[in-house]
Amino acid sequence: KAGVTQTPRYLIKTRGQQVTLSCSPISGHRSVSWYQQTPGQGLQFLFEYFSETQRNKGNFPGRFSGRQFSNSRSEMNVSTLELGDSALYLCASSLADHSYGYTFGSGTRLTVV
Amino acid sequence: GQQLNQSPQSMFIQEGEDVSMNCTSSSIFNTWLWYKQDPGEGPVLLIALYKAGELTSNGRLTAQFGITRKDSFLNISASIPSDVGIYFCAGLKTSYDKVIFGPGTSLSVIP
Repeated sequence: KAGVTQTPRYLIKTRGQQVTLSCSPISGHRSVSWYQQTPGQGLQFLFEYFSETQRNKGNFPGRFSGRQFSNSRSEMNVSTLELGDSALYLCASSLADHSYGYTFGSGTRLTVV
Repeated sequence: GQQLNQSPQSMFIQEGEDVSMNCTSSSIFNTWLWYKQDPGEGPVLLIALYKAGELTSNGRLTAQFGITRKDSFLNISASIPSDVGIYFCAGLKTSYDKVIFGPGTSLSVIP
C-alpha cells in the first residue's frame, strides 16, 4: 500500500511570503500530525488533525496553521515566512490511536531566503 | 520544550561492534518507540514497547522499556554500514496524545 506522500519535496520562498504544504496519509489512516525538524531543535510537534478537527496542538505561533479534508489529506500553511522557518517539515499518519506509532513521509524541505 | 534526553549525542564505531544508546525522561511514558532516520528521509519505526520491563527484538536491534517507565534503551549488535543514521526515541503518554521525540543519537559506522 502507498506510503505517506508529501508535496512538494523542496521549496524556496522569500521572507514575508506564505507557503502551503500538502500531505496524503496512508489509506485508512485518519490521523495526520505535522512536525518541524531543525538541527538545533530536533522534531517539534506542530499539530495533529483527526476527522477534519485539530486534536492536538504544539507551541508554535499562529502563523502556522493546518487543515484536514474529508479524505484525510492535510495541508499546513505558514504565513509571513521568517528565516527561522527554514526546516524539514514532516507529516506523519496513523490510525486514530497512536500506540503503534506514526508512519512518516519523506518531508518537505523549506528554505526561506 | 523537549522532555526526552538521549545519549550519546553521536557515536563513531567500527563495523561489527555492538552499539548501546539510551533515552531518559523526567516524566512517565506508557509507550516507548524507537525510530531511525536516513539522510533526506522521514523517520522509520524500528521497535515499539508497551510494558515496563519489556524487552523486544527486531533482527539485530533490541530495545527495552525501563522499569521506572522513565527510560528506554536500544542496542544494535554487529553493526553494519547501513546502520548509519539518526536514532530517535519517542514517548507516548496516552494513546491519543502527541508523540514526543528525543533529540536523536547520530550513528556513524566505519567500515
